[in-house]
Amino acid sequence: ETGVTQSPTHLIKTRGQQVTLRCSSQSGHNTVSWYQQALGQGPQFIFQYYREEENGRGNFPPRFSGLQFPNYSSELNVNALELDDSALYLCASSGGQVNTGELFFGEGSRLTVL
Amino acid sequence: QKEVEQNSGPLSVPEGAIASLNCTYSDRVSQSFFWYRQYSGKSPELIMSIYSNGDKEDGRFTAQLNKASQYVSLLIRDSQPSDSATYLCAVNMGRRALTFGSGTRLQVQP
Repeated sequence: ETGVTQSPTHLIKTRGQQVTLRCSSQSGHNTVSWYQQALGQGPQFIFQYYREEENGRGNFPPRFSGLQFPNYSSELNVNALELDDSALYLCASSGGQVNTGELFFGEGSRLTVL
Repeated sequence: QKEVEQNSGPLSVPEGAIASLNCTYSDRVSQSFFWYRQYSGKSPELIMSIYSNGDKEDGRFTAQLNKASQYVSLLIRDSQPSDSATYLCAVNMGRRALTFGSGTRLQVQP
């Protein structure tokens, strides 16, 4: 069984740039969620995709956007990067539309914005 | 007031002792509760879930839930140095997401 994989693992951007992060969900899982984890904090929900549709969003501005593809892989896009966007971005997959809370996380993409 | 609150620690216990980690939450309608373990530089890993009042045991781990007090706890018996990590309490508040606390850092001293 293939786990959740994310790329890239680390990246550095400058303020104002745009970034795309990628995630492949665990085999058999059709729901992908994205979380942002700042240093010393718990993960914060960004949004969730189920069968290519966004079906939940946290308190993040529209410059955070995403996609889910037919194979259930997903992208997180962040435009107009700000210094506060520096964080670990976690992708999590689960089975089914209803969020049971049993999430399988990838190893994350650590973004540094200078 | 944060929706899910945890003491940030560090909580330091000697090897072999019981570690007790606590969490309170604000939303009375919350139905499901989770403990995730996160090693330094790694991603969170689910270790326990609990859905009804009382205790749930899994090996050395026991989760306890008291919905009337809006309180969840995790007990780790016979603590090992390999248990040293940050423990995240997470609550499903009926939205399409989990709400996480900031985590409690546990240090098990050999």
